[in-house]
Amino acid sequence: GNSVTQMEGPVTLSEEAFLTINCTYTATGYPSLFWYVQYPGEGLQLLLKATKADDKGSNKGFEATYRKETTSFHLEKGSVQVSDSAVYFCALISANAGGTSYGKLTFGQGTILTVHP
Amino acid sequence: SQTIHQWPATLVQPVGSPLSLECTVEGTSNPNLYWYRQAAGRGLQLLFYSVGIGQISSEVPQNLSASRPQDRQFILSSKKLLLSDSGFYLCAWSVGAGRTDTQYFGPGTRLTVL
Repeated sequence: GNSVTQMEGPVTLSEEAFLTINCTYTATGYPSLFWYVQYPGEGLQLLLKATKADDKGSNKGFEATYRKETTSFHLEKGSVQVSDSAVYFCALISANAGGTSYGKLTFGQGTILTVHP
Repeated sequence: SQTIHQWPATLVQPVGSPLSLECTVEGTSNPNLYWYRQAAGRGLQLLFYSVGIGQISSEVPQNLSASRPQDRQFILSSKKLLLSDSGFYLCAWSVGAGRTDTQYFGPGTRLTVL
């Protein structure tokens, strides 16, 4: 089956620090990979995505590269801000055991990020 | 542009009471629709998905049901709530159900069952 493993949180950083949130996956078939962000009390927003190996998704200074050889999709940002404080979810869509894909997102547990001034 | 609405935003219900959560999408036709639940301190779990009016697939056995009476309306229901139904319920939509289709989420409904 499909599964996503994220680094345990919470992660606490000072403003302008470098951020890495690790994400690894197992998947049936060829997955697409996503990072979603959830700000306090809100729904999920798509942060970035990558649909094939070696693709780099990027948005708002965040980046993640689809590494098929290590089955990873680590999220990075060079200089975090207080406004980046949120919960970050790694997720994938892939084929089910029957070989078809119906859009089921499989999520990691989420990583809480807190950035202090 | 497309927008997705959910209501109510918050709900406190006694055990054994019924439930109806509504989700509507604007600005697109024939979307795929999804209900997810986020339990406290945990990731998201897909509950139901729908590829068209009256077409509902359930991912996990539970105390909940879903219906899609109109193209852009998705309803989550229960006849009798359990304590374990507490959580944050998120509706999502996508254009297609392929591996590259992005799902877009609504603002969510926070349900507390007492």
